[in-house]
Amino acid sequence: DAGVTQSPTHLIKTRGQHVTLRCSPISGHKSVSWYQQVLGQGPQFIFQYYEKEERGRGNFPDRFSARQFPNYSSELNVNALLLGDSALYLCASSHSGTSGGTQYFGPGTRLTVL
Amino acid sequence: AQSVSQHNHHVILSEAASLELGCNYSYGGTVNLFWYVQYPGQHLQLLLKYFSGDPLVKGIKGFEAEFIKSKFSFNLRKPSVQWSDTAEYFCAVNAADNAGNMLTFGGGTRLMVKP
Repeated sequence: DAGVTQSPTHLIKTRGQHVTLRCSPISGHKSVSWYQQVLGQGPQFIFQYYEKEERGRGNFPDRFSARQFPNYSSELNVNALLLGDSALYLCASSHSGTSGGTQYFGPGTRLTVL
Repeated sequence: AQSVSQHNHHVILSEAASLELGCNYSYGGTVNLFWYVQYPGQHLQLLLKYFSGDPLVKGIKGFEAEFIKSKFSFNLRKPSVQWSDTAEYFCAVNAADNAGNMLTFGGGTRLMVKP
């Protein structure tokens, strides 16, 4: 079975631009979470969606938004990009949306903001 | 809110040495605990997890971890490391009473095993 897939792999944007990152969960998984991993740090939680509803939101500004589609894939949108948004953006899927669900991570999208 | 501390940022070992990576968390309630590994050029993979029951859990590739509730710790161990264990290791927790499955990660420990 395919794992979690993310696109694009790499992305270069300039300050002020907007970006959309995409994630396809493992087949049968209904929960998708997004994390930001800045170089040298652990991943930091941004959003969780389960059955198309937001289940959790981390401490990120309103420039960050996400949604989940009927096929359970997800998009992460970031507006008005800042240099500090440069990071690896990870998507994780799980069958269960609750705390007992194990999350499986995708390879990430490396975003560079110039 | 929960937090996770990993005390060792960089560890260098020779092959066959024993490994112990520290992880402490801060949260007043019941937690689920995880260790993830990120090999060079690869994505995060689950090594092992603890939800309840026996506090000594065994994972893949010979790794194990022990949950000590009184110390809020979940240290990762391996009796004999191999060069292929070179990777970055992340400890993570989520609150068992949370409606969602948000993970809080530690800062990671970068392990280098010398052949």
